[in-house]
Amino acid sequence: NAGVMQNPRHLVRRRGQEARLRCSPVKGHSHVYWYRQLPEEGLKFMVYLQKENIIDESGMPKERFSAEFPKEGPSILRIQQVVRGDSAAYFCASSPSGQYDYEQYFGPGTRLTVT
Amino acid sequence: SQQGEEDPQALSIQEGENATMNCSYKTSINNLQWYRQNSGRGLVHLILIRSNEREKHSGRLRVTLDTSKKSSSLLITASRAADTASYFCATDDPYSGAGSYQLTFGKGTKLSVIP
Repeated sequence: NAGVMQNPRHLVRRRGQEARLRCSPVKGHSHVYWYRQLPEEGLKFMVYLQKENIIDESGMPKERFSAEFPKEGPSILRIQQVVRGDSAAYFCASSPSGQYDYEQYFGPGTRLTVT
Repeated sequence: SQQGEEDPQALSIQEGENATMNCSYKTSINNLQWYRQNSGRGLVHLILIRSNEREKHSGRLRVTLDTSKKSSSLLITASRAADTASYFCATDDPYSGAGSYQLTFGKGTKLSVIP
């Protein structure tokens, strides 16, 4: 059973460049969540998506950040014009349902470093 | 906003000893989950305990939940060096309007098990 896949695992970008982070959920899961983890901190919710729909993006910065989960293919978290403060680990999770009694399965994360 | 707070921040024990970590939260929950994160890796789900449950076991793990005190504890018995990791509790918040899917993580407890 393939778990949540994320790529790349490590990404280095210069200030002003774009970062694209990919997430393939567990097969059969149609609910995807993105979280961000700063050093020595817990994970912070960013966005919740279902296929072709953004359900809740309340945790995502209003500017430069966007997310999608197309009908075909992985979910993408896109960060435009990256700044040093975007350096963090970005985790994707998936679940078979958005209901509360389903655990979220986490991927290994993408560690973004902005130089 | 609701947040799980783990205590202690760091814990160092000898192999074979038991490790207890605590988590406190602020508002009502549907469930509380414990995750493990090895250094530089993704999160591994350990246990989900529902608000109507008081105790749950999984192998060497024992989780308790006291909703009156808004607290939970994770006990790892007969610890091993491989248990060295950060441990996070995560809660949902069904009454915040943010959706019960939105997990809120604490900063974690860093457990070191010395061989």
